[in-house]
Amino acid sequence: EIVLTQSPGTLSLSPGERATLSCRASQSVSSSYLAWYQQKPGQAPRLLIYGASSRATGIPDRFSGSGSGTDFTLTISRLEPEDFAVYYCQQYGSSPPHSFGQGTKLEIK
Amino acid sequence: EVQLVQSGAEVKKPGESLKISCKGSGYSFTSYWIGWVRQMPGKGLEWMGIIYPGDSDTRYSPSFQGQVTISADKSISTAYLQWSSLKASDTAMYYCARLALGRTGGWFDPWGQGTLVTVSS
Repeated sequence: EIVLTQSPGTLSLSPGERATLSCRASQSVSSSYLAWYQQKPGQAPRLLIYGASSRATGIPDRFSGSGSGTDFTLTISRLEPEDFAVYYCQQYGSSPPHSFGQGTKLEIK
Repeated sequence: EVQLVQSGAEVKKPGESLKISCKGSGYSFTSYWIGWVRQMPGKGLEWMGIIYPGDSDTRYSPSFQGQVTISADKSISTAYLQWSSLKASDTAMYYCARLALGRTGGWFDPWGQGTLVTVSS
């Protein structure tokens, strides 16, 4: 089973700043089968990125994903007030279970 | 529009059984995996298992194997998550979600709205 470790656990930034979130896998994620989700309080998770770097429908272009192998990054170029939330990575390239990372909380500084 | 609608919140006692549901619409229900994800209070997302309604192929996380049962009724486009004997530690929000790439698998999109299960004596 692939274990995903996200860092940092909490990121404190101000609107307009750039956010960089990391997701590291315990073994290589095949074909960059990695997704990112955003979850706001009281809401279901929402898909942001799939295939490590493809934005989901309707996701603003300030969100971008990169990486391959064991190291992946979600970047938010200029934070908007609505971007403060919890972010999860998930790998879906290996046989199940398709594990999630433990999450990064992005909070307003 | 692809949509997953889950059943309502449940309050149960330890030892009771429970079956919650997830109804799909707007797509061919039998052609896409449906998964279940647990979120305990204040915690992260945990992948529980998936089912392919077309042939009922089911895969479980080792952490949940034997603890829950995932099933589907393709005649009414509905997937289920059930417990035979609930514990207080089953208290959580449970989400269903569709895997995006049909039989191949893929990422979760879309998600249901969640079903809150509370187990308390």
